[in-house]
Amino acid sequence: KQEVTQIPAALSVPEGENLVLNCSFTDSAIYNLQWFRQDPGKGLTSLLLIQSSQREQTSGRLNASLDKSSGRSTLYIAASQPGDSATYLCAVNTGNQFYFGTGTSLTVIP
Amino acid sequence: GAGVSQTPSNKVTEKGKYVELRCDPISGHTALYWYRQSLGQGPEFLIYFQGTGAADDSGLPNDRFFAVRPEGSVSTLKIQRTERGDSAVYLCASSLMPVSGSHNEQFFGPGTRLTVL
Repeated sequence: KQEVTQIPAALSVPEGENLVLNCSFTDSAIYNLQWFRQDPGKGLTSLLLIQSSQREQTSGRLNASLDKSSGRSTLYIAASQPGDSATYLCAVNTGNQFYFGTGTSLTVIP
Repeated sequence: GAGVSQTPSNKVTEKGKYVELRCDPISGHTALYWYRQSLGQGPEFLIYFQGTGAADDSGLPNDRFFAVRPEGSVSTLKIQRTERGDSAVYLCASSLMPVSGSHNEQFFGPGTRLTVL
């Protein structure tokens, strides 16, 4: 069974700092990987989806990379803002299922 | 257009009761997923529909859980004889039809918070 791990579990940074969130998975036979953010008490908002054939995807201040062979993905957030404070989740698509990590709780301090 | 909607937003019930949770996907999305999320955890897959049929129900924890999507749009998750351990946020997501096995970007609803007393 696919297992997804996200480190660190929590991260606190001052506003303006660049940061990297990590996601690792045990089975490299994935179709794609998707990054989400979740605000307290809310559903998930899709940020980026990387297909297994891709190495990275960019959207605004966000850049996600994928190294399928080593079972790793990173989400890079540039020039962090207080509005970026949320829990960030990665999910890998294996078969018909998406397997989620437990998330990284990010706090950006003004 | 409208996103994924879920009703009710909150449901409180007593142990042993029956509940139904509803999901309205984005129009035109043939794929629909149900997840369950406990506090501090990531969503856990329950079931995946492609059109009207359940293509993968391997995540349903036991036979008290059942889901339908009779017309290929709205889906209902049904839980019989609820237990306290069923308390969680139930999330629904929809997406376009998978291509060559690769599932597309999922769009989530706000969830239904179920509390079983």
